[in-house]
Amino acid sequence: EVQLVESGGRLVQPGRSLRLSCAASGFTFEDYAMHWVRQAPGKGLEWVSGIGWSSGTSAYADSVKGRFTMSRDNAKNSLYLQMDSLRPEDTALYFCAKTSGINVLPAALGAFDMWGQGTMVTVSS
Amino acid sequence: DVQMTQSPSSLSASVGDRVTITCQASQDISNYLNWYQQQPGKAPKLLVNDASNLETGVPSRFSGSGSGADFTFTITSLQPEDIATYYCQQYANLPVTFGGGTKVGIK
Repeated sequence: EVQLVESGGRLVQPGRSLRLSCAASGFTFEDYAMHWVRQAPGKGLEWVSGIGWSSGTSAYADSVKGRFTMSRDNAKNSLYLQMDSLRPEDTALYFCAKTSGINVLPAALGAFDMWGQGTMVTVSS
Repeated sequence: DVQMTQSPSSLSASVGDRVTITCQASQDISNYLNWYQQQPGKAPKLLVNDASNLETGVPSRFSGSGSGADFTFTITSLQPEDIATYYCQQYANLPVTFGGGTKVGIK
């Protein structure tokens, strides 16, 4: 079955760290760029970060740049998001998503054609 | 950043009605525009890529059009299962940006 399954979300205090994981199955993981997209409660979608097929390209939203680090392990068909210095405004449902492109480059990125069900991160004291 | 302005933010229509959602980009994005449907409590689902290409398996009552900065998403005959929030998204420039969403309900 083709699927993405996120894990690692939980309640965490401001300033602390958290690592999210996304396990991919049913497709050739190493052939595609992958992304994280988040959705605050009752709000719209916000792109967080993306990483190319070989980790050679990556990009981050300004709101997380310098605090979040995205990585992947193609041998394990897994995607990660290391979240440091968490803030209350990082509270959201975090989705991992596959794109049709192989790199995180403007106009070549493609569409988010597969999504996981999300993992909830709550940042609160 | 490219700002994506969607309108309306919400609408109610009757079953069988034609529904139109617009999405305006703050600059020319060619056809690098995708549309998603998010049903309540679910992950988003890609419906239309590159402004007008319907994804495999998506009902033909859904369609997209436009290029440059102005885009339209249409449901030709609204069905009860179409209750959802719809988002446009551009990838002409980084960061990727989404429209604010259009919540579609049934009268």
